[in-house]
Amino acid sequence: AQKVTQAQTEISVVEKEDVTLDCVYETRDTTYYLFWYKQPPSGELVFLIRRNSFDEQNEISGRYSWNFQKSTSSFNFTITASQVVDSAVYFCALSGSKDMRFGAGTRLTVKP
Amino acid sequence: DSGVTQTPKHLITATGQRVTLRCSPRSGDLSVYWYQQSLDQGLQFLIQYYNGEERAKGNILERFSAQQFPDLHSELNLSSLELGDSALYFCASSEMEGFLDTQYFGPGTRLTVL
Repeated sequence: AQKVTQAQTEISVVEKEDVTLDCVYETRDTTYYLFWYKQPPSGELVFLIRRNSFDEQNEISGRYSWNFQKSTSSFNFTITASQVVDSAVYFCALSGSKDMRFGAGTRLTVKP
Repeated sequence: DSGVTQTPKHLITATGQRVTLRCSPRSGDLSVYWYQQSLDQGLQFLIQYYNGEERAKGNILERFSAQQFPDLHSELNLSSLELGDSALYFCASSEMEGFLDTQYFGPGTRLTVL
């Protein structure tokens, strides 16, 4: 069975600090995708990134970067120079052949 | 704005009642997925339709059913409602059939069962 673990339930930082959100996954599929979604206080789920199991290149998009390491089954998300608008719940998700599983989410609070 | 629409935004009803949640996918997307987000269970996949046909089932209760219509919009029917069904229900859509495609989520319908 597929499983996603986000061990950090809540993280609080001060604006401009860097923060890393951890995600560890388990799957028996050889082909799978990993995702990060953001859920701001307004409640919608916003897609941030998708990464397939064959592409271990790290990715950077503005202040966001993602580190995918197959050897440790991890797909971590770093926000550089955090801002108050980054406050949200962030979900890591894993999709394979049969379904999509979400982690429990990490609530990030960025204080001014 | 993801392009996925859901109505209603909020729904308050009583135990034992039946409700219908509606979802319109993004233009061009043939797959629709339903998810339930609750405090105790987190985000759970319920069911998927592709071009009108059921394709995958997750943790969906027998009291719940869904369908996708020829115009590709989908409805999730929840019956004999219980207090524990109170949750945020999301619809998502994607272009392709399987789960190996990006799903874009609607704003959700918040269901409160009193």
